[in-house]
Amino acid sequence: DQQVKQNSPSLSVQEGRISILNCDYTNSMFDYFLWYKKYPAEGPTFLISISSIKDKNEDGRFTVFLNKSAKHLSLHIVPSQPGDSAVYFCAASRSGSARQLTFGSGTQLTVLP
Amino acid sequence: NAGVTQTPKFQVLKTGQSMTLQCAQDMNHNSMYWYRQDPGMGLRLIYYSASEGTTDKGEVPNGYNVSRLNKREFSLRLESAAPSQTSVYFCASSRGGLETQYFGPGTRLLVL
Repeated sequence: DQQVKQNSPSLSVQEGRISILNCDYTNSMFDYFLWYKKYPAEGPTFLISISSIKDKNEDGRFTVFLNKSAKHLSLHIVPSQPGDSAVYFCAASRSGSARQLTFGSGTQLTVLP
Repeated sequence: NAGVTQTPKFQVLKTGQSMTLQCAQDMNHNSMYWYRQDPGMGLRLIYYSASEGTTDKGEVPNGYNVSRLNKREFSLRLESAAPSQTSVYFCASSRGGLETQYFGPGTRLLVL
């Protein structure tokens, strides 16, 4: 049973427009959420995170929104750039030792020039 | 500053062979992790080490063993490789708690 789901395997967006990547989770014990970006043949790199006590966190062009009642989070990238083309993974964790991460299956974002 | 390094980058094994994947970090991190990534799936945690001297099972530990050799190094061993273990393996490290996990470049393993 997938506890973190990214239902869109791929997304194409025009350069300069907004990219919205979505993620749903089922485990109400999750209290910390992260987005990672992954380029081919590289390891994932951390992008942005949000604690369950917040509903929004912003870092430059990247904003993560959390809707706890819907168990849904989204990543907004504005404006999108060709260098943003990558696979984006949503991840969640809960209080406990070592903060194990549960990952979604990823969304391939392609930003078209 | 290399961050997290993994060796080898790529390996082909025959069913039943054994091998050890090596991981080292130079960030003085307390916690280290091993994940596997399969097509169409996210990363799944195999084993982790919250601190030097401790190891715990993750979501998919069967068929694997780990050793936290010291604070820097965390190895993953396949005692008898199976085709189902064909995957990309990522090692990660963090200071612990809510701190960000930093990933290595991965090891591609093919078991025939």
